[in-house]
Amino acid sequence: KAGVTQTPRYLIKTRGQQVTLSCSPISGHRSVSWYQQTPGQGLQFLFEYFSETQRNKGNFPGRFSGRQFSNSRSEMNVSTLELGDSALYLCASSTRSGTDEQYFGPGTRLTVT
Amino acid sequence: QKEVEQNSGPLSVPEGAIASLNCTYSDRGSQSFFWYRQYSGKSPELIMFIYSNGDKEDGRFTAQLNKASQYVSLLIRDSQPSDSATYLCAVKANDYKLSFGAGTTVTVRA
Repeated sequence: KAGVTQTPRYLIKTRGQQVTLSCSPISGHRSVSWYQQTPGQGLQFLFEYFSETQRNKGNFPGRFSGRQFSNSRSEMNVSTLELGDSALYLCASSTRSGTDEQYFGPGTRLTVT
Repeated sequence: QKEVEQNSGPLSVPEGAIASLNCTYSDRGSQSFFWYRQYSGKSPELIMFIYSNGDKEDGRFTAQLNKASQYVSLLIRDSQPSDSATYLCAVKANDYKLSFGAGTTVTVRA
């Protein structure tokens, strides 16, 4: 079974631009969660989508948004990029049932200059 | 108070020794507990999960859970240099939201 895939793997943007990241979950997984990882703040939860609906949201500004499609693929968008948005963005997929283990993709490394 | 706290590292152990990692959590309603391993520059990899009090063993890894004490631990037996990584404790409450600790970096000395 293929794992979680994320595209692109690396991205360089300038302040003020916007960016869209993509995540394809493991086949059969309908939940996709997004995380931001930085050296100073660690892994922080952004939001979770299940069946095309946002089910949970972390404490991030409205510049961070997401959506999920009917095939469970998810996109995350960050508008008006700031230098502090430079981070590793990770998505994780799960079944949202039972112990609900989450499996991470390889991540997208975003650098904002 | 942070939701999930891990013992501060780094933790350095000789090859063949036992590495002991600890984690406490604040939400008594937490249901599931996970340990992830993250190598430098890579994404977290799930290595263990536990949801009942007691011990769970998988190869050289043993997870221990004590819900009354709100404590979960990970033991790595016969530590190998390939175990050198950051270990992340994660806790899930009823809302399916996963909260992570800051991680403990383990270095296994050959």
